[in-house]
Amino acid sequence: QKEVEQNSGPLSVPEGAIASLNCTYSDRVSQSFFWYRQYSGKSPELIMSIYSNGDKEDGRFTAQLNKASQYVSLLIRDSQPSDSATYLCAVNPSGDDKIIFGKGTRLHILP
Amino acid sequence: DAEITQSPRHKITETGRQVTLACHQTWNHNNMFWYRQDLGHGLRLIHYSYGVHDTNKGEVSDGYSVSRSNTEDLPLTLESAASSQTSVYFCASKHGTEAFFGQGTRLTVV
Repeated sequence: QKEVEQNSGPLSVPEGAIASLNCTYSDRVSQSFFWYRQYSGKSPELIMSIYSNGDKEDGRFTAQLNKASQYVSLLIRDSQPSDSATYLCAVNPSGDDKIIFGKGTRLHILP
Repeated sequence: DAEITQSPRHKITETGRQVTLACHQTWNHNNMFWYRQDLGHGLRLIHYSYGVHDTNKGEVSDGYSVSRSNTEDLPLTLESAASSQTSVYFCASKHGTEAFFGQGTRLTVV
């Protein structure tokens, strides 16, 4: 079983709307969760990290974590065409410092 | 500025040849990782290292090896390149919670 699951998309969202990206993970005791953004032909870059249940906001981005449901999400408010990219959910498995990635969700913001 | 660099950026090689991809970071991070990225599979962990002389296998390690003789470098070697190893390879280093990625190496095995 893949440790981190994401819908591959593409997810199309009108400009100015809220984009919602979802991720589930299998290791119940994972402690650290990340969202990376990857533009086509480029390397991934970290945009959000979250470690405790609840919401964490950074500008237009909000990460949400629900450890009981093993669920992480990323909300992008006021979506812009520059947000069009692949978003990778990543997890630190318990007791380890490696990072395991989901397959990514392609997001397309419609002008 | 500190950075992580990969070389070469592009490489074409023949089946059966040994190939080494270089990864060099100047942050002095202990943790370094190699991933491959293929359409439909996302980023898959090949090998990783938590310090000098430490190496560990990831989920897709068959046919690959790494060595860590110093903090800055983690070269990835394909012992006998196969067409199935055609991919984009990313190196990353990590300190604390954030991982930083190199620009990637596009490897084609013909």
